[in-house]
Amino acid sequence: DAGITQSPRHKVTETGTPVTLRCHQTENHRYMYWYRQDPGHGLRLIHYSYGVKDTDKGEVSDGYSVSRSKTEDFLLTLESATSSQTSVYFCAISESYTGGLFEKLFFGSGTQLSVL
Amino acid sequence: DQQVKQNSPSLSVQEGRISILNCDYTNSMFDYFLWYKKYPAEGPTFLISISSIKDKNEDGRFTVFLNKSAKHLSLHIVPSQPGDSAVYFCAGRDSGGGADGLTFGKGTHLIIQP
Repeated sequence: DAGITQSPRHKVTETGTPVTLRCHQTENHRYMYWYRQDPGHGLRLIHYSYGVKDTDKGEVSDGYSVSRSKTEDFLLTLESATSSQTSVYFCAISESYTGGLFEKLFFGSGTQLSVL
Repeated sequence: DQQVKQNSPSLSVQEGRISILNCDYTNSMFDYFLWYKKYPAEGPTFLISISSIKDKNEDGRFTVFLNKSAKHLSLHIVPSQPGDSAVYFCAGRDSGGGADGLTFGKGTHLIIQP
């Protein structure tokens, strides 16, 4: 299994509070991703990183920010949590995305976030 | 606009029979397609992939077929086993999309009946 650790695994918070989710990898992979999974929507990309301090927005980035100060850590922050951000959040990593050999994404176990 | 569509939210199949999961896509720039399997309370795990230059890829009980002209792919599981009960996600990789990963469908919940 790919060495990906997400913390916390479960969190309950109140509307309006800031929340930070952490993804830690031991694979030294360059690319890291945050997805959210919701019933009826599948997996949707929030933000991704293609290197230290290099990040970009995904499909559903509003209300979220990210930071990557080290190769191994990718943080997802909800500046002011809303009930619509109740979801399961998955971190994923990849060695590369292009070239003759496509490297698939490896996923962490997820964080269940409930915003009340 | 949904680029990857899995039109069957759920599918029930008897143990030992064939399971066929379908996926349609609209993005002509997809060059790789992947299937992921997800159990409750776990992250998705890679199952099988296929390049757009091929029309079939097989791995044990799992075979993926790609029909580029129809923009359709399917995952066949033969024979189906109880451990195959899970949610299956189809995903496509845009060759010109940069490092933004994969585009996933909404998933199909496969239930294997004993």
